[in-house]
Amino acid sequence: RKEVEQDPGPFNVPEGATVAFNCTYSNSASQSFFWYRQDCRKEPKLLMSVYSSGNEDGRFTAQLNRASQYISLLIRDSKLSDSATYLCVVPSGGSYIPTFGRGTSLIVHP
Amino acid sequence: GAGVSQSPSNKVTEKGKDVELRCDPISGHTALYWYRQSLGQGLEFLIYFQGNSAPDKSGLPSDRFSAERTGGSVSTLTIQRTQQEDSAVYLCASSLYGGGSYNEQFFGPGTRLTVL
Repeated sequence: RKEVEQDPGPFNVPEGATVAFNCTYSNSASQSFFWYRQDCRKEPKLLMSVYSSGNEDGRFTAQLNRASQYISLLIRDSKLSDSATYLCVVPSGGSYIPTFGRGTSLIVHP
Repeated sequence: GAGVSQSPSNKVTEKGKDVELRCDPISGHTALYWYRQSLGQGLEFLIYFQGNSAPDKSGLPSDRFSAERTGGSVSTLTIQRTQQEDSAVYLCASSLYGGGSYNEQFFGPGTRLTVL
C-alpha cells in the first residue's frame, strides 16, 4: 500500500454541486493531515489542516477517519474558481518530511 | 511580506550540462525543502534543511544531485550532467520549525527545467 493514495480524477462537476474526495494513508501513527490546493502551473498552497475529527472552513469541510485511515475533503456549492488539483499531505518519519499524494483534479464547469 | 522566491523561473539546458537552481526562503523560516514535480505527478521530496543541522538527503535520486544552504538562508540545488529525465518543475518550500512537528510549508513558484 502506498503511503498516501488519492484518486487522480478528474472529478468533473457543475457549478453549485457538492463534491467529495478521499485520501488514504498507511502510517497509522500520523497525527495531523493537510489539504493543499495547486492551481495549474502554480505552486501548492495550504487549504486546510485536520488534527482531530475534522475541520470546517466555509464551503470546505475536511474529515478524518482514523479507524479506516483516510481523510476526506468536501466542497459544497462548487465554484468555477474551485477548479484545481487538491493534494493530500501526511507528515511522516520525524514529522518534518511530509508525504504528498499525487492529487485529485477537480474541474467545475458552468 | 515577501514569499519564497526561486530563480530562474525557466531553464532550458542541453543534456550533460550542469545547472544551478536558487531558492530564497521566507525570512525567519529555518526549515527549507526541495521537491520536484514531473508532469501529472505528485511532489517528490529531494532534500530537507533545518537550521545548522546536517541536511536530510534521503530523497536525492542520484549523486548528480546536490544542494547547499548558506548562512541558514539561501539554498542552491545543483544538478550535474543533466539527463532528459531530470526535466521537471523544481519547487522549494520553507516553514517555521516547530520542534519536530509539521508546520505549513510555503512554496516558491518553482523552476521549470527542460533538458534537451
